[in-house]
Amino acid sequence: AQKVTQAQTEISVVEKEDVTLDCVYETRDTTYYLFWYKQPPSGELVFLIRRNSFDEQNEISGRYSWNFQKSTSSFNFTITASQVVDSAVYFCALSETGAGSYQLTFGKGTKLSVIP
Amino acid sequence: DVKVTQSSRYLVKRTGEKVFLECVQDMDHENMFWYRQDPGLGLRLIYFSYDVKMKEKGDIPEGYSVSREKKERFSLILESASTNQTSMYLCASSPRRDEQYFGPGTRLTVT
Repeated sequence: AQKVTQAQTEISVVEKEDVTLDCVYETRDTTYYLFWYKQPPSGELVFLIRRNSFDEQNEISGRYSWNFQKSTSSFNFTITASQVVDSAVYFCALSETGAGSYQLTFGKGTKLSVIP
Repeated sequence: DVKVTQSSRYLVKRTGEKVFLECVQDMDHENMFWYRQDPGLGLRLIYFSYDVKMKEKGDIPEGYSVSREKKERFSLILESASTNQTSMYLCASSPRRDEQYFGPGTRLTVT
């Protein structure tokens, strides 16, 4: 069965610090997708990134970067020079591609607080 | 822009009432999902649907049912609301196996 673990329940950083959110997954599939979502205090989940299992290139989008390593089954998310607006709960999720597999399995989330 | 709307942001119901939560998406997505979110438990899938009139149980379907009569609308039904169904309910839609787009959520309180 698939599983996503976000070991960090809560993290606090001071503004402008870098922070890395960890995500470890388990799956038996060789083809799968990984996702990160952001849930700000308003409550609506916002899609950040999708990665397929064949693409291990790291991705950078502005202050956000993602490090995908199949060897350690990890898909970590780094925010550089954090800002107060980054305060949110961040979820990592996994989707397998077997027949009938349309659903995402979410980690329990990491609550990030950026202190001014 | 993909838009997923939910009928209410906040809802208060009494134990034993029948509760309908409505979700509408405007992007012609095949798949729609209902989750509940509870502190410390993350998001848990209740039901999903990959086509009109099709439904599949998620991880925690007990006490819930769903209806999808039209492609754009997916309803979650609590046949007889109980206090342990007090939660945040999130609806999402997606085209095939792509990323899911979420609505703003409905915070349901059952008293």
